[in-house]
Amino acid sequence: SAVISQKPSRDICQRGTSLTIQCQVDSQVTMMFWYRQQPGQSLTLIATANQGSEATYESGFVIDKFPISRPNLTFSTLTVSNMSPEDSSIYLCSATGGEGQPQHFGDGTRLSIL
Amino acid sequence: LAKTTQPISMDSYEGQEVNITCSHNNIATNDYITWYQQFPSQGPRFIIQGYKTKVTNEVASLFIPADRKSSTLSLPRVSLSDTAVYYCLVGDAGYSTLTFGKGTMLLVSP
Repeated sequence: SAVISQKPSRDICQRGTSLTIQCQVDSQVTMMFWYRQQPGQSLTLIATANQGSEATYESGFVIDKFPISRPNLTFSTLTVSNMSPEDSSIYLCSATGGEGQPQHFGDGTRLSIL
Repeated sequence: LAKTTQPISMDSYEGQEVNITCSHNNIATNDYITWYQQFPSQGPRFIIQGYKTKVTNEVASLFIPADRKSSTLSLPRVSLSDTAVYYCLVGDAGYSTLTFGKGTMLLVSP
């Protein structure tokens, strides 16, 4: 299965700033996803990162707040823009090799906003 | 969009078999069922995936009845290290819909 690395693993940021999270996969994958997980809660899908085109966002998430890039088949970034304390959460990247294949996850980025 | 329901928590003892059931009454024809294990400060780890009947791998079995409105993850002979949160995920093969359950906190005691 693919190995997924996220950077940074954690960060503490000031209100109003932006942070870009990187997700690197050790092999080419078909699909990549970004999730948010509040402490003690389940995972909520933010968007599907599409290679070569704009990401597909879930209801409640918008590109201006969470711009996503996916320049190739092994790498994606998620930016959390104009952060507020409500954005404090764990952000997880996942990837899958293709249709019907399971997702594999990175260990997440724990983000705290002061 | 298939909504899933799992027990919030379960308790077990070392060496016992544990069965965790996930209800997904509105599962669609193209949906697969996938189970993940998550430890604190880690991402979810894939356990097993199935579409119908029974699937078994080296760590677990997944039982899916004919109507596919539920699924049961079976962990044989659990150990202390199996203490974790277990998530049921229902989604179509093309990943156009992805719904995680709220997770089941399994506590294994000596």
